[in-house]
Amino acid sequence: DIQLTQSPSTLPASLGERVTISCRASQSISNSLNWYQQKPDGTVKRLIYSTSTLESGVPSRFSGSGSGTDYSLSISSLESEDFAMYYCLQYATYLWTFGGGTKLELK
Amino acid sequence: QVQLTESGPGLVHPSETLSLTCTVSGFSLTGYSVYWVRQPSGKGLEWMGRMRYNGDTSYNSALKSRLSISRDTSKNQVFLKMNSLQTDDTGTYYCTRGLGYWGQGVMVTVSS
Repeated sequence: DIQLTQSPSTLPASLGERVTISCRASQSISNSLNWYQQKPDGTVKRLIYSTSTLESGVPSRFSGSGSGTDYSLSISSLESEDFAMYYCLQYATYLWTFGGGTKLELK
Repeated sequence: QVQLTESGPGLVHPSETLSLTCTVSGFSLTGYSVYWVRQPSGKGLEWMGRMRYNGDTSYNSALKSRLSISRDTSKNQVFLKMNSLQTDDTGTYYCTRGLGYWGQGVMVTVSS
């Protein structure tokens, strides 16, 4: 199975700051990567699919990029509602896997 | 409007079988795949398996020996059964459509 390694596991940041979360795959996943946000109440929302396509309704401060084995999620200017857990997911192979998650917390 | 709602027992005893139901509306199970994802307490999201639109299933390698996913298209329901439950199976279980639309999740506690 493909393994996804997210970093950092915890990211302290301030309002208005730009942040980047990394997701590295154990083998090439050919841009078959989504990003998800999970709020403290458990609600999960897809932010980005196919590496860089923004889900409808998601603010444009979110962006995704990458290729091969290395992918990233960036938030250009943090707002209070952005402090949450973030997960990457690969769907390149028959069996899908999530990254371990990144907790974006207020510094 | 796409909706998915998980239901099942909140408490399961160790070694017993977990049975969950995902009831969907706003789409047909013969047109879209439904996935199960769980979040063990204090841990990250884990992809469990899927019921494809054509009735095929696939499972996480680590859970395959304990897991079964089935459906009843006439009732718009997808079922998850997992046997030999242990305390580290405690957590929240979600069903999703294509991993784009998510249910709210159902909390399952494994305890004697």
